[in-house]
Amino acid sequence: KAGVTQTPRYLIKTRGQQVTLSCSPISGHRSVSWYQQTPGQGLQFLFEYFSETQRNKGNFPGRFSGRQFSNSRSEMNVSTLELGDSALYLCASSLLMVDTQYFGPGTRLTVL
Amino acid sequence: DQQVKQNSPSLSVQEGRISILNCDYTNSMFDYFLWYKKYPAEGPTFLISISSIKDKNEDGRFTVFLNKSAKHLSLHIVPSQPGDSAVYFCAASGAVGSARQLTFGSGTQLTVLP
Repeated sequence: KAGVTQTPRYLIKTRGQQVTLSCSPISGHRSVSWYQQTPGQGLQFLFEYFSETQRNKGNFPGRFSGRQFSNSRSEMNVSTLELGDSALYLCASSLLMVDTQYFGPGTRLTVL
Repeated sequence: DQQVKQNSPSLSVQEGRISILNCDYTNSMFDYFLWYKKYPAEGPTFLISISSIKDKNEDGRFTVFLNKSAKHLSLHIVPSQPGDSAVYFCAASGAVGSARQLTFGSGTQLTVLP
């Protein structure tokens, strides 16, 4: 089975712009979670989607949003980018809303 | 407030010896624990997990121990190999309403010296 794929792998944006990141889960997995990894804060939970519904949300501002499609693919959007949004954004999928999550390679976002 | 803590940012071990990585948690609602390994520029790779109803789980060279009373878990790698050099993250999972959420520690950089 193919693993979790994320596109693009690298992205450079400027402050104030918006960005959309994409995640394709492992085939058959219906739950998708997003995480932000920064050197200072480590891996932090953004949100989780299951059956096209956001089931859980971390402590991030409303500029961070996401959605899930009927084929379980997910996108996350960050609007009005700030310098502090520079990070590795990781997507993870799991079969149902169970606990072993499998991660994609991440999207490295740099905000200038 | 860090609910999952990995107090050792780094650990160096000789090849062939045992590596012991530690993790402490504060939230007694956590009932499932996982270890992930991460190489630079890659996503975390799942290694091993343990449910709170167990105190030990073994998979090849990797063993995870859980001490619920101390809210402590550890990952043992025996024997350590140079390819094990990576950042290891401990994660804990608990119910948040109807959902479940993983909370990660800050990671420990393991270096296995040849």
